[in-house]
Amino acid sequence: GQSLEQPSEVTAVEGAIVQINCTYQTSGFYGLSWYQQHDGGAPTFLSYNALDGLEETGRFSSFLSRSDSYGYLLLQELQMKDSASYFCAVREGGNNDMRFGAGTRLTVKP
Amino acid sequence: DTGVSQNPRHKITKRGQNVTFRCDPISEHNRLYWYRQTLGQGPEFLTYFQNEAQLEKSRLLSDRFSAERPKGSFSTLEIQRTEQGDSAMYLCASSSDSRDQPQHFGDGTRLSIL
Repeated sequence: GQSLEQPSEVTAVEGAIVQINCTYQTSGFYGLSWYQQHDGGAPTFLSYNALDGLEETGRFSSFLSRSDSYGYLLLQELQMKDSASYFCAVREGGNNDMRFGAGTRLTVKP
Repeated sequence: DTGVSQNPRHKITKRGQNVTFRCDPISEHNRLYWYRQTLGQGPEFLTYFQNEAQLEKSRLLSDRFSAERPKGSFSTLEIQRTEQGDSAMYLCASSSDSRDQPQHFGDGTRLSIL
């Protein structure tokens, strides 16, 4: 079957590091994206991995292992404004359309 | 760069009515996507345009749904004979043609069916 699995909720404190995992089963695979969405807002692109390894963008990093059908988003030096939902999304075809996971709601506490 | 713009932001209508939403993508983006998102879920792909051509449609897109992008710029999504289950956030996204380019989302249109 086709699925994306990510934890539904994660809680952490300001300044901490949190890792959000994503495992997937797809018919095709071109890459894994991560999006952030605040309540009432638009999904905002964070990162994209097409190849195995770690991509770092400021406080956020994303990792992909194609052989394990697994990726994660790493958020460092957490800030209150990082409280949001985080979605992993698989690009399955050449048209760039994506299939999203159900999202992980991150709560950052002081 | 004005971003992806969607109108209206909110739409409340009675069951059985027709509704139409508009999406204005980022001007230089050739690709345009429609998604639907319900509470607590991720966006679900509905359809995709490359310029004015509708190249892909999800099985979620019943025959009550139709999307157009007549001049390859803005797009409209129409839902006919709305049902309670159509209540959702309808999101539009656009991207450039280049490989692996990210999709940029609009703020969405929230549809509520009474």
